[in-house]
Amino acid sequence: DAGVIQSPRHEVTEMGQEVTLRCKPISGHNSLFWYRQTMMRGLELLIYFNNNVPIDDSGMPEDRFSAKMPNASFSTLKIQPSEPRDSAVYFCASSLAVDNSPLHFGNGTRLTVT
Amino acid sequence: AQSVTQLGSHVSVSEGALVLLRCNYSSSVPPYLFWYVQYPNQGLQLLLKYTSAATLVKGINGFEAEFKKSETSFHLTKPSAHMSDAAEYFCAVTDGGATNKLIFGTGTLLAVQP
Repeated sequence: DAGVIQSPRHEVTEMGQEVTLRCKPISGHNSLFWYRQTMMRGLELLIYFNNNVPIDDSGMPEDRFSAKMPNASFSTLKIQPSEPRDSAVYFCASSLAVDNSPLHFGNGTRLTVT
Repeated sequence: AQSVTQLGSHVSVSEGALVLLRCNYSSSVPPYLFWYVQYPNQGLQLLLKYTSAATLVKGINGFEAEFKKSETSFHLTKPSAHMSDAAEYFCAVTDGGATNKLIFGTGTLLAVQP
């Protein structure tokens, strides 16, 4: 089992540029979560999907953020335009869609917006 | 809504000493509770989970946690700290309902002194 795979591991971009983060969940998992981690705010849930359908996007900061899950094996988180305050580590996690199933996390994408 | 509070953002112990990391939860329904560990530059890994089968839960790496409903606590312990235990530890609770959306605490950074 390869685990949750995120790419890129690091992204450095200039303010105003579009950023796309990618995630491949564990095969067979039907829930996918995007979290953001910063020193100031800790771990924040941005959005999660069940069976490729967005269930709760209340954590998405603003319209500059969007997430898609076109199929069971791929998801993207896009920021357009990016701002310095978006700098953080973004984690993708997947699990089975049952309420005691643990989340399996990827190694994250460290985003720096200058 | 469910929430967790981790007391102490930094804990320092000597190698071989008892590790105690505190977590209190707030929940209007019987919760599912989790402890995760995060090593530098990595994603979160599951240490253990409580799902009401037993109040004392044993996890990986010699860690265990006890669910105490009367105290609304789920503290993490390890009898003897090892240098390799130095990491950040997160307590988490499910959001309730038919979902495995996790709400994380703010984390406790554990330092182990030689």
